[in-house]
Amino acid sequence: KQEVTQIPAALSVPEGENLVLNCSFTDSAIYNLQWFRQDPGKGLTSLLLIQSSQREQTSGRLNASLDKSSGRSTLYIAASQPGDSATYLCAVLDSNYQLIWGAGTKLIIKP
Amino acid sequence: DVKVTQSSRYLVKRTGEKVFLECVQDMDHENMFWYRQDPGLGLRLIYFSYDVKMKEKGDIPEGYSVSREKKERFSLILESASTNQTSMYLCASRITPNTEAFFGQGTRLTVV
Repeated sequence: KQEVTQIPAALSVPEGENLVLNCSFTDSAIYNLQWFRQDPGKGLTSLLLIQSSQREQTSGRLNASLDKSSGRSTLYIAASQPGDSATYLCAVLDSNYQLIWGAGTKLIIKP
Repeated sequence: DVKVTQSSRYLVKRTGEKVFLECVQDMDHENMFWYRQDPGLGLRLIYFSYDVKMKEKGDIPEGYSVSREKKERFSLILESASTNQTSMYLCASRITPNTEAFFGQGTRLTVV
């Protein structure tokens, strides 16, 4: 059974720092991996989608990588800003076309 | 941009009421989903639909039903609301199974 883990559960860093969020999964038979952001009390915003054949995707200050063989993905945020404070969730699309979710990393950027 | 719209941001209902949560997407997406999100339990799939008139149970369908009469609209129905259905409900859609999923803004339902 696919399991997705995000470590750490919470992270607090000063503004301006570059940071990395981690996502690991137990079964490499995935179609894609998607990173989302969730602000308190709100829905999810899609950040990046990486297909299983891809190694990375970039959008602005965000870069997501995927190493399917080792079951790992990272979300790199460059030059962090207070507005980046949110919970970041990763989800893998499994062999049944269902999204399997991590528990999220709560990120706080201190001004 | 894809827009997934949930009819209410906040709802308060009484125990035993029949509750309808509506979700509409404007991008002709085939697949639609309903999740609930609870602290410590993460996102859990309630029901999904890959096509009009088609519906499939997710991981926690008990106490819920769904309706998809039109492609753009997917409704979640709580037949008789109970306090343990107090939660954040999230609707999502995607074009086909292997594409990006987009979410609505969420409905915070409180059952009293």
